[in-house]
Amino acid sequence: SQQGEEDPQALSIQEGENATMNCSYKTSINNLQWYRQNSGRGLVHLILIRSNEREKHSGRLRVTLDTSKKSSSLLITASRAADTASYFCATDPISGSARQLTFGSGTQLTVLP
Amino acid sequence: DVKVTQSSRYLVKRTGEKVFLECVQDMDHENMFWYRQDPGLGLRLIYFSYDVKMKEKGDIPEGYSVSREKKERFSLILESASTNQTSMYLCASTEGRRPKNIQYFGAGTRLSVL
Repeated sequence: SQQGEEDPQALSIQEGENATMNCSYKTSINNLQWYRQNSGRGLVHLILIRSNEREKHSGRLRVTLDTSKKSSSLLITASRAADTASYFCATDPISGSARQLTFGSGTQLTVLP
Repeated sequence: DVKVTQSSRYLVKRTGEKVFLECVQDMDHENMFWYRQDPGLGLRLIYFSYDVKMKEKGDIPEGYSVSREKKERFSLILESASTNQTSMYLCASTEGRRPKNIQYFGAGTRLSVL
């Protein structure tokens, strides 16, 4: 079953603007991960944030985690047309084996040139 | 870099055919997964394997079986393909140990069953 739910389902912005996507989940987690999927391709891991971390950066990506609200956000700054893709959050539940992740249904980001 | 290779990018099969989707990873990962992805439904886990010859059902195993005879290879089998199995199929592998339980995906196989 899908635990993570992304919001919004679709987002369209102009190049240079910031894009923010949100993920909510239901159960306690060990970590939360964000993945990117270009159209018709597999998913690529972007960033992992552990449950004891509140914020993490990687290049133009900034991820926050609020375990009290069971939510995370992914911010892409100064977006480019090449950032157009679907973005998925994935959770590693505390009750799980670490082998499995639960993926959300994704946010489709379109960056207009 | 981890590489997960799926044998076909596109497949077109007829209803009732037996279909094999192959996946190979080169990082000696113990855990491998098969997902299907449909618009609006996200990724749904079909089967996974945590060791050679071991398998466990995911959320939607009906109509599918799997085989893992070697550590690097995980096959998804559609015993008798049906039109509702038209989908994008994604294979993934992972070391499966925290905190680096990142999943590495293949490029996907888009299967059409006519």
